[in-house]
Amino acid sequence: IAGITQAPTSQILAAGRRMTLRCTQDMRHNAMYWYRQDLGLGLRLIHYSNTAGTTGKGEVPDGYSVSRANTDDFPLTLASAVPSQTSVYFCASSVLGQDAIDTQYFGPGTRLTVL
Amino acid sequence: AQSVTQLDSHVSVSEGTPVLLRCNYSSSYSPSLFWYVQHPNKGLQLLLKYTSAATLVKGINGFEAEFKKSETSFHLTKPSAHMSDAAEYFCVVSERVNTGKLIFGQGTTLQVKP
Repeated sequence: IAGITQAPTSQILAAGRRMTLRCTQDMRHNAMYWYRQDLGLGLRLIHYSNTAGTTGKGEVPDGYSVSRANTDDFPLTLASAVPSQTSVYFCASSVLGQDAIDTQYFGPGTRLTVL
Repeated sequence: AQSVTQLDSHVSVSEGTPVLLRCNYSSSYSPSLFWYVQHPNKGLQLLLKYTSAATLVKGINGFEAEFKKSETSFHLTKPSAHMSDAAEYFCVVSERVNTGKLIFGQGTTLQVKP
């Protein structure tokens, strides 16, 4: 069982280019999340999805979009990358039961540099 | 609105001495609280979580945390630090009414000296 995989591991991108970060989980978790990690700011939620077919905005959604066509995959797209989107991006998933105290499981991250 | 504050950005201890990483939270609801650890160039791993069943929570690798409602604190402790404990630690709060959204603290870097 792989858990959560992310691709690519790292990427250098020219400003203005479009980029999709991939995330796949094999735990059949209902909920998935995208975070960015920046020094001194901890992790901040970009977008989330409580179940396939639904998505929601997190704390810092501007410049990013997501889709959740199925349970396993949750890609994050930067339509036109800007240098401020240079960060480490983490995907996570959780079971998300009804009144559950949910543990999130994190992928290994994608290091993105926008020049 | 929920928030979490980690009171120290950097903590340095000697191997074999106790570890204390401090965390205060603010929550409009009965909070769920977590500690996650991140080793260099790795993803985050859950250390422990507060479920409201017991105020003293034991986690992996000898860590534990005590929920103190009167002090709105959830400090992480370990009796004796190991070199392998050197990492970034995040205190996290989630709403009880579970949207799955987590609010992360800024992180505390733990340095362990030989």
